[in-house]
Amino acid sequence: ETGVTQTPRHLVMGMTNKKSLKCEQHLGHNAMYWYKQSAKKPLELMFVYNFKEQTENNSVPSRFSPECPNSSHLFLHLHTLQPEDSALYLCASSQAVAGDQDTQYFGPGTRLTVL
Amino acid sequence: AQSVAQPEDQVNVAEGNPLTVKCTYSVSGNPYLFWYVQYPNRGLQFLLKYITGDNLVKGSYGFEAEFNKSQTSFHLKKPSALVSDSALYFCAVRDRTYNTDKLIFGTGTRLQVFP
Repeated sequence: ETGVTQTPRHLVMGMTNKKSLKCEQHLGHNAMYWYKQSAKKPLELMFVYNFKEQTENNSVPSRFSPECPNSSHLFLHLHTLQPEDSALYLCASSQAVAGDQDTQYFGPGTRLTVL
Repeated sequence: AQSVAQPEDQVNVAEGNPLTVKCTYSVSGNPYLFWYVQYPNRGLQFLLKYITGDNLVKGSYGFEAEFNKSQTSFHLKKPSALVSDSALYFCAVRDRTYNTDKLIFGTGTRLQVFP
């Protein structure tokens, strides 16, 4: 266990549904990240939060909406997704953005299928 | 821009033999390099990192990596492969500026260790 948990582990949703992914870290970190992992593509960074403030939005469509209420929790709200959004969504945390303790620790991921 | 390349989609090795998973990098400035491993249906697990100092970095599960500045390489190695080492391996480089800090991942190399 890396100290980063994600729920649910698997999610199947229709294109008109609204759902949320949750990530929680128990490492005392201040930075949290969302990544998308699709088949045969490199990991894509989606969002970065540092001390609850969003510092990076990697041109992600607005149907993905992140929320970081505190340094331990990160959500990804999903609405009107497309089938091509089906992927493994990974959450990660690190001590802080641009800090010296730079190792990111990943959760197990949520496998999302959009029908 | 920072980038890494993993030239091999798959590496096959017999159990007990040494293994090498290749990674080359392109960075401006000093490189911060990482290796992660992903087992089926799991998130990424941190193996090791190079920031500065000794060119031979030792990590988890008996893995090590050699930083070679002249060849801009950071190959992952293990003296004796185990079947349980079969997984997907990712090389990554840190892309850090004054207001952003992210990992740029390679496309991954699948390691298959045969009994």
